[in-house]
Amino acid sequence: QVQLVESGGGVVQPGRSLRLSCAASGFTFSSYGMHWVRQAPGKGLEWVAVLSYDGSNEYYADSVKGRFTISRDNSKNTLYLQMDSLRVEDTAVYYCAKAVEVTTRRWFDPWGQGTLVTVSS
Amino acid sequence: DIVMTQTPLSSPVTLGQPASISCRSSQSLVHSDGNTYLSWLQQRPGQPPRLLIYKISNRFSGVPDRFSGSGAGTDFTLKISRVEAEDVGVYYCMQATHFPLTFGGGTRVEIK
Repeated sequence: QVQLVESGGGVVQPGRSLRLSCAASGFTFSSYGMHWVRQAPGKGLEWVAVLSYDGSNEYYADSVKGRFTISRDNSKNTLYLQMDSLRVEDTAVYYCAKAVEVTTRRWFDPWGQGTLVTVSS
Repeated sequence: DIVMTQTPLSSPVTLGQPASISCRSSQSLVHSDGNTYLSWLQQRPGQPPRLLIYKISNRFSGVPDRFSGSGAGTDFTLKISRVEAEDVGVYYCMQATHFPLTFGGGTRVEIK
């Protein structure tokens, strides 16, 4: 079955960097677009970024544009989120999610269990 | 960015009774390809979100038929025909017509 496992979260000081990983299994990873979505503690969902199946197209939320970079290694079935210049407001659980269909990234499921990033001095 | 506004914030429902959640977008969600990319997601307590409905009214695989979606343009509705205990959680609408994708603020469904 499809499985997504995020890792790399932790506590980091403002201004520092962190790289999240999302290990995928149970499907042909190289055929599907992938998303990152975050959820601040006790808050709602905020979309972060999406990457096409081959890594050629990417989009970002305005709040992370220029600071975060989404990438993938299809040989390792892994999605990444490089987070630079972290801010306190980036504190959240970060989820990766798989596009449902090969032909579109506009709806996605399943989601991983998430990894918590805490930005604090 | 498209703003998604959900009402109500909270919906206390008696088991077996219906529930309805509204979602309004600040702009039309009709894409130039003719599709409307409005989805509904459910987040049970302590769980990641899961997809319920996509393109307004298409139930995702494994979603019970008591869940239905409707609407057009800027106004959308999720209905649960008979609420069960397992439906407790927060429901989000999400638009994917325009980038960046945006979510509604969420509606909490709880049992009275």
